[in-house]
Amino acid sequence: EIVLTQSPATLSLSPGERATLSCRASQSVSSYLAWYQQKPGQAPRLLMYDASNRATGIPARFSGSGFGTDFTLTISSLEPEDFAVYYCQQRSNWPLTFGPGTKVDIK
Amino acid sequence: EVQLVESGGGLVQPGGSLRLSCAASGFIFGSSNMNWVRQAPGKGLEWVSYISSGSSTTYYADSVKGRFTSSRDNAKNSLYLQMNSLRDEDTAVYYCVRDWAYWGQGTLVTVSS
Repeated sequence: EIVLTQSPATLSLSPGERATLSCRASQSVSSYLAWYQQKPGQAPRLLMYDASNRATGIPARFSGSGFGTDFTLTISSLEPEDFAVYYCQQRSNWPLTFGPGTKVDIK
Repeated sequence: EVQLVESGGGLVQPGGSLRLSCAASGFIFGSSNMNWVRQAPGKGLEWVSYISSGSSTTYYADSVKGRFTSSRDNAKNSLYLQMNSLRDEDTAVYYCVRDWAYWGQGTLVTVSS
């Protein structure tokens, strides 16, 4: 099973600041890495797929990068609605796995 | 508009069974691979199961293998998750997911005596 590690566990930032979230895989997942945003009481929302492709309707302030084992989700300038938990997911190998999440909260 | 509506959750005793349903609309269900994902209270996401569009291929997380079975009825635009031998640790909100971009609202399963 591929284990995903996310860092930091919590990121405390102010609106307008840049957020950089990391996801590391225990073995290569090529570019089969996705990112999700989840707010309390809501289902997850797909942000990025195949490491660097924005899903439909996702604002351009969200970007993803990486290949192999190291991936990054960047939010260029945090909006109030971006404070949430972010999960990475690998779709390279079965079983599919998620990272433990990074919580982005308001400083 | 794509809609996925889960149902069938509830309180069940350890060792019991439950069958979840997911009613799909707004897309060609019979052409879509589907997944189940769960989330224990206050915890992260856990992929549970995958079923291909024609039901020929299924995959399961090790934690549910041999206890849970995914199935679908394409004529009824419905996805199912049969859960047997339930354990306390199966307590979670269960989501059905299409293409990873479309998620239902989830249904809560509570396993407790």
